[in-house]
Amino acid sequence: AQSVSQHNHHVILSEAASLELGCNYSYGGTVNLFWYVQYPGQHLQLLLKYFSGDPLVKGIKGFEAEFIKSKFSFNLRKPSVQWSDTAEYFCAVFGNEKLTFGTGTRLTIIP
Amino acid sequence: DADVTQTPRNRITKTGKRIMLECSQTKGHDRMYWYRQDPGLGLRLIYYSFDVKDINKGEISDGYSVSRQAQAKFSLSLESAIPNQTALYFCATSDPAERNGYTFGSGTRLTVV
Repeated sequence: AQSVSQHNHHVILSEAASLELGCNYSYGGTVNLFWYVQYPGQHLQLLLKYFSGDPLVKGIKGFEAEFIKSKFSFNLRKPSVQWSDTAEYFCAVFGNEKLTFGTGTRLTIIP
Repeated sequence: DADVTQTPRNRITKTGKRIMLECSQTKGHDRMYWYRQDPGLGLRLIYYSFDVKDINKGEISDGYSVSRQAQAKFSLSLESAIPNQTALYFCATSDPAERNGYTFGSGTRLTVV
């Protein structure tokens, strides 16, 4: 069975700081990886996804993620965060016909 | 209209009551899912369905049941609600051919008192 670990439970940054959220996965098959964002009081929205090809994938709102197969990682990055990035971020792996989520990272941006 | 609609948005119910959460979609997807979200635990899969005749248990199905009334409708029932079922419940759909990940509903916040 697949699993996802997100080690950062709560990250607090000032505006314009750089962001990196960690995600490690475990799955023996072909990897499909996702990052979702949940703004306060809202449902999950897709930020970006990786299926194959270029391991550096770009998503919406300036986010990107890098798939490093040797490290079983899919970390999320943003060079300069904004107050509006305050949200909860979930990494997920698709395997065995379903999506398995990590426990999430709460990101708080201080103006 | 939203692609995935969940009703109700909020519900408070008493311990021991039966409650149904409903989900309908206009995406035309065969695959539908029910997740619950708890602080610090992320989203955990309760049940999923790949078509009207196919229902599968997820990792936390105890205390829940589902019904796939049509391709577009997938309901989650709590037979006898208990306080630790207080959570945010999300319905989602997917289409493997689209490979876009899941489309989520807006969620139902359920409180069992």
